[in-house]
Amino acid sequence: SQQGEEDPQALSIQEGENATMNCSYKTSINNLQWYRQNSGRGLVHLILIRSNEREKHSGRLRVTLDTSKKSSSLLITASRAADTASYFCATGRPGGTSYGKLTFGQGTILTVHP
Amino acid sequence: DTGVSQDPRHKITKRGQNVTFRCDPISEHNRLYWYRQTLGQGPEFLTYFQNEAQLEKSRLLSDRFSAERPKGSFSTLEIQRTEQGDSAMYLCASSSSAGGPSNQPQHFGDGTRLSIL
Repeated sequence: SQQGEEDPQALSIQEGENATMNCSYKTSINNLQWYRQNSGRGLVHLILIRSNEREKHSGRLRVTLDTSKKSSSLLITASRAADTASYFCATGRPGGTSYGKLTFGQGTILTVHP
Repeated sequence: DTGVSQDPRHKITKRGQNVTFRCDPISEHNRLYWYRQTLGQGPEFLTYFQNEAQLEKSRLLSDRFSAERPKGSFSTLEIQRTEQGDSAMYLCASSSSAGGPSNQPQHFGDGTRLSIL
């Protein structure tokens, strides 16, 4: 079953604008990860944030995590046409044999117009 | 690092036939995962291996599905007596467990797209 809910389901912006995607989840997590998927391809890992971290940066990406609200956000600054893709959040559960297994949300489709 | 490789990229078969997919993980990764993704949805976990041991299977994995990783390197996923509902993208991912597997990103292959006629 899907753990995460992404919002919005689709986002359309102009090149140079910022894009913000949100993810909510239901159960305790060990970490939360964001992935990008271009049409017909596999997923590419973007960033991992641990449950004891609140914010993380990687290049033009900024991820926040609020475990009290069970939510995360991904900000892409100064977007480019090449950022057009589907973006998924995925949560890693703590403990047991599920340790390391990821549960994905339904994704946000981002379209960046040149 | 040659990445995760999956074969074939596309498979079209008639309902009732058996199909087998192969995944070659990144060589130093001891964890290997299988996911299924249908159109417009995120990937759903099917099963995973640590070395050659299959540690968890999802309830999505009916008895028609079997996965193996005999020598702890490549893995195969077999679907017997395929049904229309099996049409999906089957994704393989691998990761290291160094520092704790839950703190390692998973590296995905480009998947095998299965179409059941």
